[in-house]
Amino acid sequence: AQSVTQLGSHVSVSEGALVLLRCNYSSSVPPYLFWYVQYPNQGLQLLLKYTSAATLVKGINGFEAEFKKSETSFHLTKPSAHMSDAAEYFCAVSGTSYDKVIFGPGTSLSVIP
Amino acid sequence: NAGVMQNPRHLVRRRGQEARLRCSPMKGHSHVYWYRQLPEEGLKFMVYLQKENIIDESGMPKERFSAEFPKEGPSILRIQQVVRGDSAAYFCASSPPGPGTGEQYFGPGTRLTVT
Repeated sequence: AQSVTQLGSHVSVSEGALVLLRCNYSSSVPPYLFWYVQYPNQGLQLLLKYTSAATLVKGINGFEAEFKKSETSFHLTKPSAHMSDAAEYFCAVSGTSYDKVIFGPGTSLSVIP
Repeated sequence: NAGVMQNPRHLVRRRGQEARLRCSPMKGHSHVYWYRQLPEEGLKFMVYLQKENIIDESGMPKERFSAEFPKEGPSILRIQQVVRGDSAAYFCASSPPGPGTGEQYFGPGTRLTVT
């Protein structure tokens, strides 16, 4: 079985500051890991995914995430926050390439000008 | 290549009515997933279907909810006798056949409001 926890339901950063959104997972099999972003009243957009290749994964909009098996973590980072990054971010895990995706509760990111 | 399409985007139903939500997967995709997002919550898996087959319905409420993905046409999520607690955003996702990377492509969602 898989599960995801996201530390911090709300995160605020200043424009230009580092963004760090935390995600820890639990999986009984080697996981597929994802970060999705959701803007208000919209669907989900894939930011990046880990599928057992490189442990440092680069995604769209300057985001990246590092898979750390020993810590069962997959934290999302961006060196410099932009106002347009304000959104809800979901970490997610699945056990196989066709399994259902299990989502974390989400972290709402606010960017302060 | 058009993305995953869902309609309607917004649906208002009175308590006791039926709601039908439609999802057209991306061209060539044969796997469809339905998720529900309650206000202020994350997405919860409901059901996973392939053409004419329900593969995993472990997230579906036992009563009033059903889903299908016929050989021809879109996938349908049907909610009978809706109640206020059914008000949520319902998202459909699809993925292609064959070995994949687990990535699912999401539609824009249908926002159901029960009055």
